Amino acid sequence: DADVTQTPRNRITKTGKRIMLECSQTKGHDRMYWYRQDPGLGLRLIYYSFDVKDINKGEISDGYSVSRQAQAKFSLSLESAIPNQTALYFCATMGEGAREQYFGPGTRLTVT
Amino acid sequence: AQSVTQLDSQVPVFEEAPVELRCNYSSSVSVYLFWYVQYPNQGLQLLLKYLSGSTLVKGINGFEAEFNKSQTSFHLRKPSVHISDTAEYFCASYSGGYNKLIFGAGTRLAVHP
Repeated sequence: DADVTQTPRNRITKTGKRIMLECSQTKGHDRMYWYRQDPGLGLRLIYYSFDVKDINKGEISDGYSVSRQAQAKFSLSLESAIPNQTALYFCATMGEGAREQYFGPGTRLTVT
Repeated sequence: AQSVTQLDSQVPVFEEAPVELRCNYSSSVSVYLFWYVQYPNQGLQLLLKYLSGSTLVKGINGFEAEFNKSQTSFHLRKPSVHISDTAEYFCASYSGGYNKLIFGAGTRLAVHP
C-alpha cells in the first residue's frame, strides 16, 4: 500500500461548488502539508499541520480550508470553487527534521 | 524569509550532452536542500538531498548536486543525459526555523535526439 494516498485522483466540478480533497498517510508522521502545482509556478504551500490541533496557513490559503481529523488524515476543502483553483494538488508528510518526506500521487482538479 | 530560485525555466539539451540545472536559495538559518523530478503526468520523485556532511551529493539516475554555502547554490548536474531524463525538475529547501518545504518554480529539461 502507498504511504500517502489522495482521493479523488481526478475531479471536475463547477464554479461555486464545495469540494473536499482527502489525504491519508501510514507513516505515522505528525507533519502534513497541502500544495498546489501550476505550470511555471512550481508547488506552492496552501496549509500545513504539525498535529491535530496545530494548523497553519501557507502562502496561498485564501479560498481554502483544512481539517486534521486524525494524525493520519488531512483534508483540504474549497468552500466555493472558482476556475483559477484548477490545478494539481499534492499532499505530503514529513518526518522529524525533513529527513523523510512522502508525497501523494496528486489530485487533478478542474473547475469549470 | 525562505525562498528558492531556479534560474532557468527551460533547458534544451541534446542526448549524451552534460547538463546543469541551477538553483539558488535564501535563508537566514541552516537549510536542507532537495531536488525532485516529475515525469510527464506523474507525481514527485526525490532525486537527492543535502542534509549535512559532504557538499557533493549523489542521487538516483546518475544525477549529482553540489551544495555551495558561500554562493547559496545547489546546482544539479548530470554528465550525460538520456531521452528518458526529459521531465520537470524542482529544487526545494527546508528550514528548521520555518518548518516548511519551499519549492522553486521548476526547470523543464527537454532532451533531444
